[in-house]
Amino acid sequence: EDKVVQSPLSLVVHEGDTVTLNCSYEVTNFRSLLWYKQEKKAPTFLFMLTSSGIEKKSGRLSSILDKKELFSILNITATQTGDSAIYLCAVYSGTYKYIFGTGTRLKVLA
Amino acid sequence: GAVVSQHPSRVICKSGTSVKIECRSLDFQATTMFWYRQFPKQSLMLMATSNEGSKATYEQGVEKDKFLINHASLTLSTLTVTSAHPEDSSFYICSADTSGGGGTGELFFGEGSRLTVL
Repeated sequence: EDKVVQSPLSLVVHEGDTVTLNCSYEVTNFRSLLWYKQEKKAPTFLFMLTSSGIEKKSGRLSSILDKKELFSILNITATQTGDSAIYLCAVYSGTYKYIFGTGTRLKVLA
Repeated sequence: GAVVSQHPSRVICKSGTSVKIECRSLDFQATTMFWYRQFPKQSLMLMATSNEGSKATYEQGVEKDKFLINHASLTLSTLTVTSAHPEDSSFYICSADTSGGGGTGELFFGEGSRLTVL
């Protein structure tokens, strides 16, 4: 059965800290891995990763994929209270199939 | 990115009534949309895959007669919660795939609808 596992489930840090969120997967067919940030409403898109070793970067956020070891990490440097959210990882395996992980709830304290 | 609009964002209804939630793709055609339910502090739970012009595909454990899905056009899917009860209170989110089922996948979400059944 296809599955996506995220860790940790929750995390509390202080402003300025750096955090690393993990996403591992076991799927029959891999097309891409997507990261989303969810605050109070619906998830917003962060990154799509398809190739190993190529870092995607947006401001203080970055992400990388390892297709050999079947995982991805999302890094957030110099965290701010506005980074507090649920971070969701999903794997797309083709033909409209997206498998979501349980999410990591991040809380950044001032 | 693509824009998906969901309406209403909040709805309060009495037990026994039906509630319709709309999900529209504003700047693209979506042959496939997804409906999720999210409980507090939990991840997204896929309820069903909505296919334009055909019947929705429901996930195991989701009642088809309770959660009616209609995808009558390439830009609109609706979820109707029939005879709603307090246990149906939840956050419902739709999403649309812009990849056409192939490629690397692109999924965009509506703003979500918070349903409260009294």
